[in-house]
Amino acid sequence: NAGVTQTPKFRVLKTGQSMTLLCAQDMNHEYMYWYRQDPGMGLRLIHYSVGEGTTAKGEVPDGYNVSRLKKQNFLLGLESAAPSQTSVYFCASSLTGTSQETQYFGPGTRLLVL
Amino acid sequence: GQNIDQPTEMTATEGAIVQINCTYQTSGFNGLFWYQQHAGEAPTFLSYNVLDGLEEKGRFSSFLSRSKGYSYLLLKELQMKDSASYLCAVSFGGDYKLSFGAGTTVTVRA
Repeated sequence: NAGVTQTPKFRVLKTGQSMTLLCAQDMNHEYMYWYRQDPGMGLRLIHYSVGEGTTAKGEVPDGYNVSRLKKQNFLLGLESAAPSQTSVYFCASSLTGTSQETQYFGPGTRLLVL
Repeated sequence: GQNIDQPTEMTATEGAIVQINCTYQTSGFNGLFWYQQHAGEAPTFLSYNVLDGLEEKGRFSSFLSRSKGYSYLLLKELQMKDSASYLCAVSFGGDYKLSFGAGTTVTVRA
């Protein structure tokens, strides 16, 4: 049981390039989330999904797109990377969407945009 | 997002006790989580409080006062491995989204 995994672990992009971050979970969780973490700031929600085939915007969605074609995978896309998107990206999942449900986090992807 | 306030840094000696405070807006509150995050790693779940009072889990305890919008995480018998960032996260409005504080970096010195 691997839990939540993310690929790649680290990536360097040039401004304007595109990329996709992959998140996979093997816990049969319904809900999945993408966060970014920046120094001095809390984790901020980018997009989330309440089930296969669904996506919704979080607190900071601009410049990102997501897809959840399979229950176990949640993809985060950057169509045209900007230096402001340099960050550490965490994926998380939870079994259900109730307010007391614990979220389980992946190991993170460090992205540097030059 | 909601304002979640916690101190930026704390330093303590091995074997000592440290208390990390967290304050939040009370409107729409549903529950409060504490996560531990070691440098370069993922946050991991420590505790969950929804009712007033103290929840104890071994060396770690978490307290909640809903009326005051206040929680603290108490770390006892500090060990070097407890050096990490501790994140306070609150669930508001009856849904599954969490608002996170910026985290408190705890450094344990020998």
